[in-house]
Amino acid sequence: DAGVIQSPRHEVTEMGQEVTLRCKPISGHNSLFWYRQTMMRGLELLIYFNNNVPIDDSGMPEDRFSAKMPNASFSTLKIQPSEPRDSAVYFCASSLRLAGVNEQFFGPGTRLTVL
Amino acid sequence: AQTVTQSQPEMSVQEAETVTLSCTYDTSESNYYLFWYKQPPSRQMILVIRQEAYKQQNATENRFSVNFQKAAKSFSLKISDSQLGDTAMYFCAFMKFNAGNMLTFGGGTRLMVKP
Repeated sequence: DAGVIQSPRHEVTEMGQEVTLRCKPISGHNSLFWYRQTMMRGLELLIYFNNNVPIDDSGMPEDRFSAKMPNASFSTLKIQPSEPRDSAVYFCASSLRLAGVNEQFFGPGTRLTVL
Repeated sequence: AQTVTQSQPEMSVQEAETVTLSCTYDTSESNYYLFWYKQPPSRQMILVIRQEAYKQQNATENRFSVNFQKAAKSFSLKISDSQLGDTAMYFCAFMKFNAGNMLTFGGGTRLMVKP
């Protein structure tokens, strides 16, 4: 398996522009997570989906952030309009939700820079 | 809500020596899981070791072992025979049992292995 795939790996944009980050989870996994990592706040869970349904979006910072999972193999995180304080590394992770220990597998991350 | 604290922002160790990274957590749950993740300069999040709270035996994975003290809510990671490739950020994480596989991360410890 190719693991969790994220694109793009790097994104540089200007303040006010729309940014879309993409994630393909591991085939067969039914849970998907979006995290944001910054020096100041560490790793924060933004939102997670189970069976394509958003379960907890309490970590989404503002209405400028939205996430979708139209099918089991694809998810997007959109920021509109983007601001310099959104600069961070965004990780997507997936897992197979079963009884017992359910490891999360992380993608390589997208480094976002908003100028 | 759960909190995870890593009190050592940075540590260093000489190659081939042993180092212990600290982690404490706060929870009212009785069933849960604990993890250590490694994040090398490549940014990839890699699972190092995990521990089920109901197991008294400390988990071990090759050179990596944990000291799990449930009453004290402590979960330290010991790295034996440190190697240059162990240089990375290390994150301690908590997962409630049967709660959607959500992880709560500590702030991380930056480990430098010196030749």
